[in-house]
Amino acid sequence: KNQVEQSPQSLIILEGKNCTLQCNYTVSPFSNLRWYKQDTGRGPVSLTIMTFSENTKSNGRYTATLDADTKQSSLHITASQLSDSASYICAQSGGSYIPTFGRGTSLIVHP
Amino acid sequence: KAGVTQTPRYLIKTRGQQVTLSCSPISGHRSVSWYQQTPGQGLQFLFEYFSETQRNKGNFPGRFSGRQFSNSRSEMNVSTLELGDSALYLCASSWDRNTEAFFGQGTRLTVV
Repeated sequence: KNQVEQSPQSLIILEGKNCTLQCNYTVSPFSNLRWYKQDTGRGPVSLTIMTFSENTKSNGRYTATLDADTKQSSLHITASQLSDSASYICAQSGGSYIPTFGRGTSLIVHP
Repeated sequence: KAGVTQTPRYLIKTRGQQVTLSCSPISGHRSVSWYQQTPGQGLQFLFEYFSETQRNKGNFPGRFSGRQFSNSRSEMNVSTLELGDSALYLCASSWDRNTEAFFGQGTRLTVV
């Protein structure tokens, strides 16, 4: 069964600090891995998408990395802001391009 | 540039009824995907349409169906509603498979 596991489940940090979220996947072959940010009650917003040949992708203060050998991805948030408080969801697609989603990491940024 | 529009935003239906949800993608996007999001299961893929053809289907019963029109607008239908169908239904559009996906605000369906 395809699985995507995210850790930690929740995280509280102070404004201005950095943090790293983890995503492990099992699906092979690999088509792409996406990171999304989802605010409560709203649709997810795409942060990054990486294909097999990419091992890092940045979007402003968000940087995603991919290690295809260990089937791990991480999302690094630099200089966190209050508006970064949200759920961060990882989704990985295999050869069929059907995405499997992780349960997300709930991030709270305190002033 | 207009985003992805889903209608209606909220819906309350009775068990056994059917429902149709609508999704208007970003202009120029030919791929539309549908997802179900619940607190218990998280986000789950329903199906994807590309140029009016269903290109992929997730692991959902046949009560869940969809279609896409020539202007790329898409609808999904759920027949014989069950309490467990209560969820946020999201659609996303993209130019193609390995490109950025843009989600709508979702339709919150409550089955009573």
